[in-house]
Amino acid sequence: GAGVSQSPSNKVTEKGKDVELRCDPISGHTALYWYRQSLGQGLEFLIYFQGNSAPDKSGLPSDRFSAERTGGSVSTLTIQRTQQEDSAVYLCASSLEALPSGELFFGEGSRLTVL
Amino acid sequence: QQQVKQSPQSLIVQKGGISIINCAYENTAFDYFPWYQQFPGKGPALLIAIRPDVSEKKEGRFTISFNKSAKQFSLHIMDSQPGDSATYFCAASRPNDYKLSFGAGTTVTVRA
Repeated sequence: GAGVSQSPSNKVTEKGKDVELRCDPISGHTALYWYRQSLGQGLEFLIYFQGNSAPDKSGLPSDRFSAERTGGSVSTLTIQRTQQEDSAVYLCASSLEALPSGELFFGEGSRLTVL
Repeated sequence: QQQVKQSPQSLIVQKGGISIINCAYENTAFDYFPWYQQFPGKGPALLIAIRPDVSEKKEGRFTISFNKSAKQFSLHIMDSQPGDSATYFCAASRPNDYKLSFGAGTTVTVRA
């Protein structure tokens, strides 16, 4: 596809379960970002990838959160032992290069609900 | 804490009116200020961006005004249309910093 693809679009899980969220960036985009969007909170930076490495993981809220990127393409965000406060929309974005003024292209997000 | 404060949280404007959204920041190192537009169920998309060396940038009906001394910038939507109904986010980043600090968002509703 031409845009950033995320799956699943919706995920309902029980507290304590693990979840995996997937992101397929635009082909050729070397930079990939994960943001979290909570109601009324704007977008919160989680992690940034340049290629397969993550120079900045500073936004990950706790050690229950991890992410990886393989082949310079697909990325997976994993949340272990989910808590209710993890409920949010998780947005993935990619850009051609990791430039400070580079345009971010966002996917439609994965809405996570933790019961 | 939020590095970019955005207001109002929501606004309603009549078709043809002007929508104004304001943002303020504290970090004087910020040098790039984009606005993103988000429709329900979609991801945000870049609308317009400005750097501090200019005080105003216009693209069609959308204008960013920038006041460096006040550390404020705003988005004006002229001749607002129902299709402009969306959530708008201001953001800022520092030189050589690839991550954006976003405001909390403003939901704009344009009534026909």
